[in-house]
Amino acid sequence: DQQVKQNSPSLSVQEGRISILNCDYTNSMFDYFLWYKKYPAEGPTFLISISSIKDKNEDGRFTVFLNKSAKHLSLHIVPSQPGDSAVYFCAASASNDYKLSFGAGTTVTVRA
Amino acid sequence: DGGITQSPKYLFRKEGQNVTLSCEQNLNHDAMYWYRQDPGQGLRLIYYSQIVNDFQKGDIAEGYSVSREKKESFPLTVTSAQKNPTAFYLCASSPQGLGTEAFFGQGTRLTVV
Repeated sequence: DQQVKQNSPSLSVQEGRISILNCDYTNSMFDYFLWYKKYPAEGPTFLISISSIKDKNEDGRFTVFLNKSAKHLSLHIVPSQPGDSAVYFCAASASNDYKLSFGAGTTVTVRA
Repeated sequence: DGGITQSPKYLFRKEGQNVTLSCEQNLNHDAMYWYRQDPGQGLRLIYYSQIVNDFQKGDIAEGYSVSREKKESFPLTVTSAQKNPTAFYLCASSPQGLGTEAFFGQGTRLTVV
């Protein structure tokens, strides 16, 4: 049973606009959340993270929001750039178990 | 430079043969992981190891085996018992503790013919 879900397999956005990626989780023990970016035939690279004691974390063009009551997090990319075209994975972990559980990914395409 | 090295990048094997994928890290990380990526299914955990000489099954361990004899190395063997071995395999490592992210290698594409 998948504990981290990304229900939108793809997202197309115009360059300069905002990209919003969503992620839901079912395990209430998760207390650390991460977003990874992946290009084809390469390993994922870490993008941004948030712990459960916060509801927002910002790093440049990337902001992650966490809604613990809804078990939902989102990644905002603004403004979107052509180099942002990639697959984005949401991941989560619990402090008593260091393995990461990943969602299925969302493919973002930024149109010129 | 520090990092995780997976080799080879592409690997072809005949059905019924065992094959071992290499993963080496020089980041001095305690934990290491193996994931498998299939289209539309994201990354699924095969095995992970938090310390040397100890490892745990992940969500899809059947047909795979691992060893962790050294901190730097975590090889994965895909055995003939794995029913659908063709996939993209990713190795990762992380320091222990909350608030640490995993660093990934470049992956190995295994094709069984």
